Amino acid sequence: SQQGEEDPQALSIQEGENATMNCSYKTSINNLQWYRQNSGRGLVHLILIRSNEREKHSGRLRVTLDTSKKSSSLLITASRAADTASYFCATDGGTNAGKSTFGDGTTLTVKP
Amino acid sequence: GAGVSQSPSNKVTEKGKDVELRCDPISGHTALYWYRQRLGQGLEFLIYFQGNSAPDKSGLPSDRFSAERTGESVSTLTIQRTQQEDSAVYLCASSPQGLLTEQYFGPGTRLTVT
Repeated sequence: SQQGEEDPQALSIQEGENATMNCSYKTSINNLQWYRQNSGRGLVHLILIRSNEREKHSGRLRVTLDTSKKSSSLLITASRAADTASYFCATDGGTNAGKSTFGDGTTLTVKP
Repeated sequence: GAGVSQSPSNKVTEKGKDVELRCDPISGHTALYWYRQRLGQGLEFLIYFQGNSAPDKSGLPSDRFSAERTGESVSTLTIQRTQQEDSAVYLCASSPQGLLTEQYFGPGTRLTVT
């Protein structure tokens, strides 16, 4: 099964609301990354959080990492219609740091 | 500067034929990755190149799949004797170094095996 698994599979919210997506993984990691994919821009890197970090911010994005629970969350605040996309977490599997394992993603729909 | 480019953008082939997919990474990026993405699913790791090290081929699904990389530049993914289950989008990504850095993705090649 996938190293990273996102939850929920799908999320639909109104513009202006916050969206929270979760990612769980199975083995130790060096870092965890979040990516966004939409038809217009393909797959784009959003944020990377290292295993010794607990929280990271980038604009309207906030990522948390709990290595004891092997989980991460991505919070998008004040969502916009343009945030509509699929969001994936990717982990590096710890020792085999070159290989990234992606989950199946959360599909976010932001209604205007 | 230019991003990661892939060609062709779309490829339709008959079952049993061989196909070759090309990836041009960002200049100077030492790491290069190939992934496969089936419709509605996440990315499935295929192979990883890092500099002159031996590639990590652990994700290749069968011996029909192979990939090469010329130095730290172009890579080609070859699928021999294509099957319908090979239909997917094949994504290439590069990064400045393999460890602890973000990946920059190309637009992908959509492969359809009829």
